[in-house]
Amino acid sequence: EPEVTQTPSHQVTQMGQEVILRCVPISNHLYFYWYRQILGQKVEFLVSFYNNEISEKSEIFDDQFSVERPDGSNFTLKIRSTKLEDSAMYFCASTYRGYTEAFFGQGTRLTVV
Amino acid sequence: DAKTTQPPSMDCAEGRAANLPCNHSTISGNEYVYWYRQIHSQGPQYIIHGLKNNETNEMASLIITEDRKSSTLILPHATLRDTAVYYCIVRGNTGGFKTIFGAGTRLFVKA
Repeated sequence: EPEVTQTPSHQVTQMGQEVILRCVPISNHLYFYWYRQILGQKVEFLVSFYNNEISEKSEIFDDQFSVERPDGSNFTLKIRSTKLEDSAMYFCASTYRGYTEAFFGQGTRLTVV
Repeated sequence: DAKTTQPPSMDCAEGRAANLPCNHSTISGNEYVYWYRQIHSQGPQYIIHGLKNNETNEMASLIITEDRKSSTLILPHATLRDTAVYYCIVRGNTGGFKTIFGAGTRLFVKA
């Protein structure tokens, strides 16, 4: 069964450093998303991406965040200067169409120290 | 997207049916009911969705009331591996396509 894959599974970084989280969405999907989940809290939407541009973003997704689809398979989330409060699980998801069911990756646990 | 209300937690005996309720009284005509679950800290997993008819797949059944203001997810024979947080989400087929997660129902399946 096709799946969304994320790397790395765990990333530890120092405050102020840049991190790039990587995702390979399901190959024929057209819409891509990033979510995050701070420990013990809800899953929160960050950004959606379609046709090589951001289609929607939340208040969390400020100038420190960016997304990119550098080639035909990868979808990345970059945090420019990490803060302690960026520590969370980050989930990538994809959908075939915007309104079809979302498939999520297993997440990257980001720890900022 | 319409708001949903779910009980915070439920217990179920292994091998019995787990019936998870969800209220979505403000649902509009083009909004679907989706169910996902999250086992421990894994990525959310799609279970099933429906518009107004009852739906069944290999994982679960979804029963939607005639007025569409509530629904029930049924796991017919719960196993210990079904212990998870279950999210009921209402989502339209136009406009923003993000999935908005609430707190969900934490289902404990006990031996």
